Amino acid sequence: EIVLTQSPGTLSLSPGERATLSCRASQRVSSNYLAWYQQKPGQAPRVLMTGASSRATGIPDRFSGSGSGTDFTLTISRLEPEDFAVYYCQQYGSAPPITFGGGTKVEIK
Amino acid sequence: QVHLVQSGAEVKKPGSSVKVSCMSSGGTFNSYTISWVRQAPGQGLEWMGKIIPVLSIANYAQRFQGRVTITANTSTSTVYMELSSLRSDDTAVYYCAKGGGRVWLDPWGLGTLVTVSS
Repeated sequence: EIVLTQSPGTLSLSPGERATLSCRASQRVSSNYLAWYQQKPGQAPRVLMTGASSRATGIPDRFSGSGSGTDFTLTISRLEPEDFAVYYCQQYGSAPPITFGGGTKVEIK
Repeated sequence: QVHLVQSGAEVKKPGSSVKVSCMSSGGTFNSYTISWVRQAPGQGLEWMGKIIPVLSIANYAQRFQGRVTITANTSTSTVYMELSSLRSDDTAVYYCAKGGGRVWLDPWGLGTLVTVSS
């Protein structure tokens, strides 16, 4: 099973600042089958990035993803008020199970 | 555009079972995989298993093996997740989502809260 470790656990930033979230895998994620999700309180997760670096439909370009192998990053170039949420990485490439990281909470400083 | 509608909240006793449904509309039901993911209060996301409805082939996360059963009814475009031998730590929101098996999860249902309490 691929274990995903996200850091930091919490990121305290102000609107307009840049957010950099990390996701490290315990073994190589094949074909970059790595997705990022955003979750707001009381809502289901929403996919942001797939294939490590492709924005999902309707996701603004202030969100970008990068990385390969075992190290992946989600960057939010300039935080908007609606971006304060919890973010999860997920690998979907290996045989079951799919696994998620523990999440990074981006909170208003 | 696929839309997933889940059944309503449940309250169950420890030791009992719960069966949550997820009805799909839009898209071609037989052409995709449906996964189940749960989230305990204040906790992260945990994948439980998936099914390919057209084949009725299901795969489960190791930690739920023997306790979870995922089935599908292609005539009603509905997937079911049944969890047995419920414990208090099974209290969680259970989500269905399209995807799994080299496909990301999108869209998601709104979730079904299952509360296990004596």
